[in-house]
Amino acid sequence: DADVTQTPRNRITKTGKRIMLECSQTKGHDRMYWYRQDPGLGLRLIYYSFDVKDINKGEISDGYSVSRQAQAKFSLSLESAIPNQTALYFCATSDPGQELYGYTFGSGTRLTVV
Amino acid sequence: GENVEQHPSTLSVQEGDSAVIKCTYSDSASNYFPWYKQELGKGPQLIIDIRSNVGEKKDQRIAVTLNKTAKHFSLHITETQPEDSAVYFCAASLMNYGGATNKLIFGTGTLLAVQP
Repeated sequence: DADVTQTPRNRITKTGKRIMLECSQTKGHDRMYWYRQDPGLGLRLIYYSFDVKDINKGEISDGYSVSRQAQAKFSLSLESAIPNQTALYFCATSDPGQELYGYTFGSGTRLTVV
Repeated sequence: GENVEQHPSTLSVQEGDSAVIKCTYSDSASNYFPWYKQELGKGPQLIIDIRSNVGEKKDQRIAVTLNKTAKHFSLHITETQPEDSAVYFCAASLMNYGGATNKLIFGTGTLLAVQP
């Protein structure tokens, strides 16, 4: 099993619908992140959580919300999806004090809003 | 906050040639500069990194250089192979042990194509 699992892998949804992207990890890491990838814009940080009780906005949090249900689970929600939220979404984890060993990324969720 | 610029956006080289990807960062306090490789259909993976107290680091065919004064850092791949074809991202951060600022800000990515 993958260390960081994202579900679904692909999703097509309609404008105005609520959608949740889920991330679970078996790394035992306290810190989790949601990034969005767009062509030409790279990876942009949406939200991050340094522990279950800690949630922080990233560069582009508008239109998104998150929930840290447990150390191992971090969900990203689009309350009312719009077409410009079409992108590839990545969840990542890190171990505090071990970030110099890198983040562990999931395989991504490709979201299309029509 | 930190801002990272990356060039070029696409790079095509012949197998065996060298490839260089360059990044600049804005926050002089940043002290950690990793490079990630993203293969098709996968998430990014760390390939090499450098800290601000070091000017150059090598790992087999890849190397990273850092110029703190100019706030530039670069990835160098020598003797490129087709399996080096991927998207490469640079990133920057102020990293401290367990620190509250430990979040990576990524560049815009470079699509490297190695032609056989």
